[in-house]
Amino acid sequence: DTEVTQTPKHLVMGMTNKKSLKCEQHMGHRAMYWYKQKAKKPPELMFVYSYEKLSINESVPSRFSPECPNSSLLNLHLHALQPEDSALYLCASSPTTGTGVGTDTQYFGPGTRLTVL
Amino acid sequence: AQSVSQHNHHVILSEAASLELGCNYSYGGTVNLFWYVQYPGQHLQLLLKYFSGDPLVKGIKGFEAEFIKSKFSFNLRKPSVQWSDTAEYFCAVNAATDSWGKLQFGAGTQVVVTP
Repeated sequence: DTEVTQTPKHLVMGMTNKKSLKCEQHMGHRAMYWYKQKAKKPPELMFVYSYEKLSINESVPSRFSPECPNSSLLNLHLHALQPEDSALYLCASSPTTGTGVGTDTQYFGPGTRLTVL
Repeated sequence: AQSVSQHNHHVILSEAASLELGCNYSYGGTVNLFWYVQYPGQHLQLLLKYFSGDPLVKGIKGFEAEFIKSKFSFNLRKPSVQWSDTAEYFCAVNAATDSWGKLQFGAGTQVVVTP
């Protein structure tokens, strides 16, 4: 099973709302990622969690707040977003090896299509 | 910092034609190389990957890619495309020594296969 699931599939929110995106995998992967993908553009890395600890934050604004409650779950909490934050938000996971996660393949979920009004 | 460039942004071809998509990367160290595909309305799927060994790698759906280290290239090929190969194709690279697996994507190539 190489499935990463994400909920919701679509989300529309106002600039004052608070919402959360969820990502789940049951492949035993210990690295999980959030990417942002604008239309006709490649995915851009936002955060990396390794063994439930935040390893990389790619200078993402604080209105995006990641959380990794356990090894299977990854959340992205959203607050006070701007219209330009509208995008497809992708979650990915990868297994880890003794040499670190750098050599591992990332498996992507279907994404959450976010629209900020 | 590494970067990835894909030569063509849009490719239109007929069914049964051969496909080759170019990908070049810029990084001085050892890299891992990937091709992902994103079919319309679907999520990113791994087509194939190269970590080490035989530089000619075969992936799913009849795709293959060749790693040419001297040219910093990892071009994707398929001898005979089908209408169902219409999709966005992304080349991606990460540094083999990167502990956190930061994946750098190319800009993508939109491939349209006409019947």
